[in-house]
This record gives sequence, structure tokens and C-alpha cells, in this order.
Amino acid sequence: GAVVSQHPSWVICKSGTSVKIECRSLDFQATTMFWYRQFPKQSLMLMATSNEGSKATYEQGVEKDKFLINHASLTLSTLTVTSAHPEDSSFYICSAKLLETGDFYEQYFGPGTRLTVT
Amino acid sequence: GENVEQHPSTLSVQEGDSAVIKCTYSDSASNYFPWYKQELGKRPQLIIDIRSNVGEKKDQRIAVTLNKTAKHFSLHITETQPEDSAVYFCAASRGGGTSYGKLTFGQGTILTVHP
Repeated sequence: GAVVSQHPSWVICKSGTSVKIECRSLDFQATTMFWYRQFPKQSLMLMATSNEGSKATYEQGVEKDKFLINHASLTLSTLTVTSAHPEDSSFYICSAKLLETGDFYEQYFGPGTRLTVT
Repeated sequence: GENVEQHPSTLSVQEGDSAVIKCTYSDSASNYFPWYKQELGKRPQLIIDIRSNVGEKKDQRIAVTLNKTAKHFSLHITETQPEDSAVYFCAASRGGGTSYGKLTFGQGTILTVHP
């Protein structure tokens, strides 16, 4: 149980275009999902917290107009990288917290999406 | 906000030896401390976690200790095996409730176990 998927697993796009990444909790409901970015050989950096039915909370330094997050349902959150540039090339990973009586602490990570902007 | 420092950045051991990775945190309100193993291009995998009401936790070859007063926690791997080679991350968060749970990660430790 507690499986999180991401789609696509990798994507290449041209500079100036937008890319949407989906994060789904497959067998549980998640009111809260988190989006992380990981550059090569670096740690995971939290970008934003996505709450179902409300606006996302962005971490300091993350441009909310560039990284659009929509948490439309209890099982789906999307991250759209708008007007992508080569410096946005990174590994984007989502995670989800269990909604109900499960462990409020543990997060379940998606497999990640490798974005390359040319 | 929370700040997590992790040491060492690289660790090389011989198969069968023990490995210890240490982390310190800054936010005294943090109460959940997971450790993740990440292989190249893969998702982080939770290997063990500890909550602030516990000082030590063990799961087979892996153990974690927590010192709340000093605000540091450590990962101990005994009888290391080549398949333990990976990047290990510590993290800290305030658990519980929909508004909490943000994980702050340490910088990571590249563990290499030589056969």
C-alpha cells in the first residue's frame, strides 16, 4: 500500500515551453502533497506544499508564477513549469501524506520526473 | 525555519565494517526524524525513522539514535554490505496535522562499501 506515482518519468522540452507533471496517490487519499526539486549530486529541496482544495504554499525563493501547483483532488496534484529554461532542468519529486488514521508523519515519495530543458 | 546539517559528505568503508552518519537540527519543535536511502535516479526510500519521544530505534542492521537536548541524531549501519552503497539523507519535520510535515533534508552522505 501507500503507492505514489508520477507522470511522466522523464521529459525533454524546449526553452520557453511549459511542462506539466502529475503526482498521484494510487491507493490512499492525501490532503497534503509536497513537491521537491533535486539537482544532480544535491539534496532534496522543498518547493511547495500542496493542499487539496486550497492554494499551495511556496517556500522562500520559489516563484509561484513559474511553478504552478494544482491539488484538484485527494489523489492528484500537478506541477506546471511555465516558460521553462535550461536552469529548470532538474529531478522533480513529489510526496504524499496519509489522510486518515495512518501515520501522519510518514511521507510516501513518487519515483520522480527528470526534466531536461534544451 | 529548520536547518539540518549532515556529516560526513562521503563515507567509505570495507564490507562488514560499521558506518555512522550524523545530523544536527536547529528547530527544537521538530519531532520526526526519518532517514532515506536514495540510489541514482530513484526515489528516496525510508529506511528507518524516529520520533522525539524515543531515544533509540533499531531494525536489524540499522539503528538510529536521537539526542533531543543536543539536537542531533545519528544513523548506524552494522555489518555493511556492498548493496548498502547509496546516498543517505537525514531529514527533520514537525509531524502531525495537515499543516505540518514539511521535511528539511540534510545534504546527503555518499556511502561506498568496498567488497
